[in-house]
Amino acid sequence: QVRLQESGPGLVKPSQTLSLTCTVSGGSISGGNYYWSWIRQPPGKGLEWIGYIYYSESSYYNPSLKSRVTISVDTSKNQFSLKLSSVTAADTAIYYCARAWGTYCTNTRCRLEWFDPWGQGTLVTVSS
Amino acid sequence: DIQLTQSPSFLSASVGDRVSITCRASQDISTYLAWYQQNPGKAPKLLIYAASTLQSGVPSRFSGSGSETEFTLAINSLQPEDVATYYCQQLNGYPLTFGGGTKVEIK
Repeated sequence: QVRLQESGPGLVKPSQTLSLTCTVSGGSISGGNYYWSWIRQPPGKGLEWIGYIYYSESSYYNPSLKSRVTISVDTSKNQFSLKLSSVTAADTAIYYCARAWGTYCTNTRCRLEWFDPWGQGTLVTVSS
Repeated sequence: DIQLTQSPSFLSASVGDRVSITCRASQDISTYLAWYQQNPGKAPKLLIYAASTLQSGVPSRFSGSGSETEFTLAINSLQPEDVATYYCQQLNGYPLTFGGGTKVEIK
């Protein structure tokens, strides 16, 4: 049974870079049709998809965050990571990592079908 | 971006009732729609994908239907453990987007 666990600082200062890691256990991050994704949820609000990465390092980001987001993968550690730069209070949220099932791909992005499982989430607060 | 509008935003029903949640897309998304259940303080959990396919392990009282722009999640015989917020998600176009959520409570 695959499990995902987020880790990283719970408090980040404005203008700094938010860095989180998702550790995958119970299965390999490499191969297959699985794509590894980040989603966030401001406290008491809805869900926003941030982006995904494949083990081969191909990735795709939400255009609204693209200029500030980098998602990377470390297959040797079975982990993938999120970096979000120049954070403001609007980036305060619970950050989730999740596994997605993908099917066909075009030159730039892949068709994802569903997200399962999700990590338990980690609250990141942006404050001085 | 493809907008998803869920209705109602809040629903209160009795144990044993059948309840329905609607998700409307701003454009045709075929059947590229998933439903998630988020219990209080927990991560979302996949219930249904491809509009109507029940995820393994999910109780059969949950069902999904619809295509193009209108979709429904139904809970047949509401149970106390179904108290949660339910979200739809479209996977037809990028960026992937979610509906605003429907909070379900027991009357």
